Parts: sequence; structure tokens; C-alpha cells
Amino acid sequence: RKEVEQDPGPFNVPEGATVAFNCTYSNSASQSFFWYRQDCRKEPKLLMSVYSSGNEDGRFTAQLNRASQYISLLIRDSKLSDSATYLCVVNEGTYKYIFGTGTRLKVLA
Amino acid sequence: EPEVTQTPSHQVTQMGQEVILRCVPISNHLYFYWYRQILGQKVEFLVSFYNNEISEKSEIFDDQFSVERPDGSNFTLKIRSTKLEDSAMYFCASSNPGQGSTEAFFGQGTRLTVV
Repeated sequence: RKEVEQDPGPFNVPEGATVAFNCTYSNSASQSFFWYRQDCRKEPKLLMSVYSSGNEDGRFTAQLNRASQYISLLIRDSKLSDSATYLCVVNEGTYKYIFGTGTRLKVLA
Repeated sequence: EPEVTQTPSHQVTQMGQEVILRCVPISNHLYFYWYRQILGQKVEFLVSFYNNEISEKSEIFDDQFSVERPDGSNFTLKIRSTKLEDSAMYFCASSNPGQGSTEAFFGQGTRLTVV
């Protein structure tokens, strides 16, 4: 079983749509969770950390379900500039960040 | 805003040569990492470094690779006897969990092309 699994997509959505990405992780001892965004041939950039209580940052909402080992990211009112690959990242507590394969999002005009 | 910087942005080398990729982590960070991303593939962990020693390394990080913090600011990845399959983007990252946030920040990457 892969350590961090994501649907690679692509998700093609119209501007203004709401889109949700999911991620599952295999190590129940994982301690910290993140969503990063990666544009083509660029570095991963932190989008948001994911907390057990769920957290929101503008149009972005992240949820964590430790029992199911599941993380989600919801993007509301999609913008063209949201087109990117969204990376689910898990920190296993030994300061090793494990990346999922990423989910590609294309927001269409 | 503090950032991780990497040099060079692009390195072309002949197969069998040695390369050194350089990184300047964020100044008050204590944990440093190297990752690689082969074109079209996922970001893969190579090694983490703390307190002047390797804390963890992956199966990819074999004897061909080494890391060093030669001074108070630089963090380097050396790849000896490069192979064609070493061609990838190499990302350096740093973090400081002691500040209450555990996220890692990444440099812009070095694109290594082995010919």
C-alpha cells in the first residue's frame, strides 16, 4: 500500500466551481498533515496545514479524519489561478515529509 | 519573507562526473532536507539532517550521495559518479518545529541534467 495516496486527476472544472480532493495515508502514527501546491516545474509551496478540528483559509478548507486516515481539501469559487497540482504531505514525526503523487487541477474559463 | 535558496538553478553534467548542489536554508531553521522529483513523478524524500548529522535517509540515498553543512549557512548535496537516471529536480527544504509549526519550506530547486 502506498504511504500517501491521491487521485492523480486531472480534475477539469469551470471557474467558480467547488472542487474537493482527497488523500489517504497508511501510517497511523503520522503526526502532521499539509496541503502544498506545485506549479509546473516549480517548488512545492505550502497551501495550508491540516488540523484535526478542520481549518479554513479563505476559499480553502482542509479536514483531517485520523480514524479513517483521510485528509481532504475543498476549494470554493475556483479561479483560473488555482490551476496547479495539489500535493498531500504527511509528516511521520521523524521529520520526514512523505508526498502523495499530487492531484492535478485545471480550472477552465 | 525568509526563503530557502538553491544554486545553481540548472546544472548540466556528464555521466560519471560529480556534482554539488547548494542550499541556504532559512536562517533560524534547524532541520534540513533534500528531495528529488523526476520529471512527471512524485516528490521523493532523500535525506534529513539535524544537529550536524543525518537523521533519516531513504533507500535512494545510497553511497553515491552525501550531505554536508560546511558552515553556518550552507547545506550541500553531493552526487558522485552521476548516472543518467539522476536527472531530476532536486529540492532543498528546511523546518523549525521548535517554533510550533511543523511545515517545511522548499527552495526553488536545482534542475540536474546528466548527459
